[in-house]
Formats: sequence, C-alpha cells, structure tokens
Amino acid sequence: GENVEQHPSTLSVQEGDSAVIKCTYSDSASNYFPWYKQELGKGPQLIIDIRSNVGEKKDQRIAVTLNKTAKHFSLHITETQPEDSAVYFCAASSPYKLSFGAGTTVTVRA
Amino acid sequence: GAVVSQHPSWVICKSGTSVKIECRSLDFQATTMFWYRQFPKQSLMLMATSNEGSKATYEQGVEKDKFLINHASLTLSTLTVTSAHPEDSSFYICSAREVTSGYNEQFFGPGTRLTVL
Repeated sequence: GENVEQHPSTLSVQEGDSAVIKCTYSDSASNYFPWYKQELGKGPQLIIDIRSNVGEKKDQRIAVTLNKTAKHFSLHITETQPEDSAVYFCAASSPYKLSFGAGTTVTVRA
Repeated sequence: GAVVSQHPSWVICKSGTSVKIECRSLDFQATTMFWYRQFPKQSLMLMATSNEGSKATYEQGVEKDKFLINHASLTLSTLTVTSAHPEDSSFYICSAREVTSGYNEQFFGPGTRLTVL
C-alpha cells in the first residue's frame, strides 16, 4: 500500500517568515495530493490540493509543488501569521484511498 | 459548499453501552463516506469506507461487528460503536466524497470525541 512520510514533525517559525513541509510517497499510482490543516479538537480542513498532472499550485500565501519523478511534494506558507499555528497533514491518494503523513506541528512565534 | 457535519461533537458513555455517531453531507451528495479514527498527537487512521446502499469495507484490524457502519442515503452515514470500552475512546472523524469528482477529494467533518468510562 501507499506509504507517506512527512517532515519535519515540528516546525517553529517567526511571524512573517516562511514555513516549508515536505512529504514523500511510495505509490506511483497516486494522483491526488491534498494538504489539511487541523486545529486542536477539530476535523481536518482542506487548505490546498494538487493533482498529478500539475507541478505547482498557489493560493494566496500557500503553495504546493509536486515532483512525480521523485515522488515528493511540498507545502510552502509565506508571510506566516499566528493563526497559521496548527497541525498540517499531507496525504497521497489513489482513486479510492487517502494515506496520510504523520503530521507537522507548526508554531508561529509572534 | 462541501460541508460535512457530525453529531454529536462529543459523547461520554459507560463501558458496555453503544454509541451512534452521525455524519451528514449538507450541500452535496456523497456516494462514498469514510470513517477515521485519530488518537492524540497521531495521524488519521482509516477505519472503513462506506458506499451508499452497500456494505462497508473495513480496513485490516478493524472489527466490523464492533464498529457498525450504515450508509442509508447519499447524505447520511452512521457509525455505531457497540459495547464500547475505554480503549475505544478516541476522536472519530468522517469524510465524504462528492459524486462527480474523479479524484479522491474528501471533505471532513468536525469530528466526534468519544470518551468511554
């Protein structure tokens, strides 16, 4: 089955700096790569996703890149704000199953 | 759009009782719904996949007689934890996939915190 590895497990950044989270996946059949933000006690919220036919996608301060050859994808958050503090999960998906990374706890220091 | 609700948001029950959790897609039809379990400081673990009108498919190691799933309509799936025990205490999260999406785009509910005493 699919194996998704996510790094780092924790990330502390100064407000205004950028944050980068990296994930690798194992199944070349995976074709959809969402990123979720989860705040304490809440369900995951989709923040951005990318499909296998696209190399990069941006939405305001958030961007995701995908390298299918290397089987890795990354989340970039620019101009971080305190409200960006949360746990972020990457996932890789075949048409039928999402496999999640272990999560990254991001702390934005004011 | 793409809103998924869960009810209740939290529940406390005594050991040996059964608890039902509802998952609803509010503004779209979901042929497929998923149930996940999340322990503190861990990732989401898929428990089962349910398709409307058919039996759920359970992941390896998940007891189907303990975690009963019913997906009776395109907007409602229920998870019943039968004879709950303290080790079943966890955060249960459902997600739903839109009918028209060719990709596995899942929208998650807010989760249900189950505590078994």
